[in-house]
Amino acid sequence: DAKTTQPPSMDCAEGRAANLPCNHSTISGNEYVYWYRQIHSQGPQYIIHGLKNNETNEMASLIITEDRKSSTLILPHATLRDTAVYYCIVPIRGAQKLVFGQGTRLTINP
Amino acid sequence: SAVISQKPSRDICQRGTSLTIQCQVDSQVTMMFWYRQQPGQSLTLIATANQGSEATYESGFVIDKFPISRPNLTFSTLTVSNMSPEDSSIYLCSVDPGQGAPGILNTEAFFGQGTRLTVV
Repeated sequence: DAKTTQPPSMDCAEGRAANLPCNHSTISGNEYVYWYRQIHSQGPQYIIHGLKNNETNEMASLIITEDRKSSTLILPHATLRDTAVYYCIVPIRGAQKLVFGQGTRLTINP
Repeated sequence: SAVISQKPSRDICQRGTSLTIQCQVDSQVTMMFWYRQQPGQSLTLIATANQGSEATYESGFVIDKFPISRPNLTFSTLTVSNMSPEDSSIYLCSVDPGQGAPGILNTEAFFGQGTRLTVV
């Protein structure tokens, strides 16, 4: 997979926007950026994915820079239940599999 | 979406024995995967379970240790053979319900809740 770099941990206050960065400077033209999260003792959960344009769904927004070398996952109004490890993944084109890095451990504080 | 059932949810096993983990999906899926998550670590892909053919293993994982079956499009098993305490992990099944354009993964994957294995 294209190498991704994420900060190991972040804190955010409840009710504020949580902005999680990811660097993927070696991404290729047709490779998507995926975000998953894993809440303690659960299986990973899909959040969002994108190619070039910014994306938004009921869970989050994904902002991808114009050069596609980095992206930011935004949780607009973080709650305590958003405390989890967040993974940014860029699958290798043609591989059709997800390879997880170490992710960012996000802690939402009351 | 896809609902995944993994069995057992947890087990404690004696070293030297084997455990078979089952993964059942409520719909036919193209791709099925098996992951391992060691304590405090991220997920590591073990193999891709291929329907009707041998699984494709990632570097560091071999068929003798982790035999995998996939008899149809809704079911797979992973066996952890000749277990040692180092095999104590959570084992997760994952599925990708569909395919995007050839060679491009653009549908979300779904994960089971995992099997927590402790080897004593």
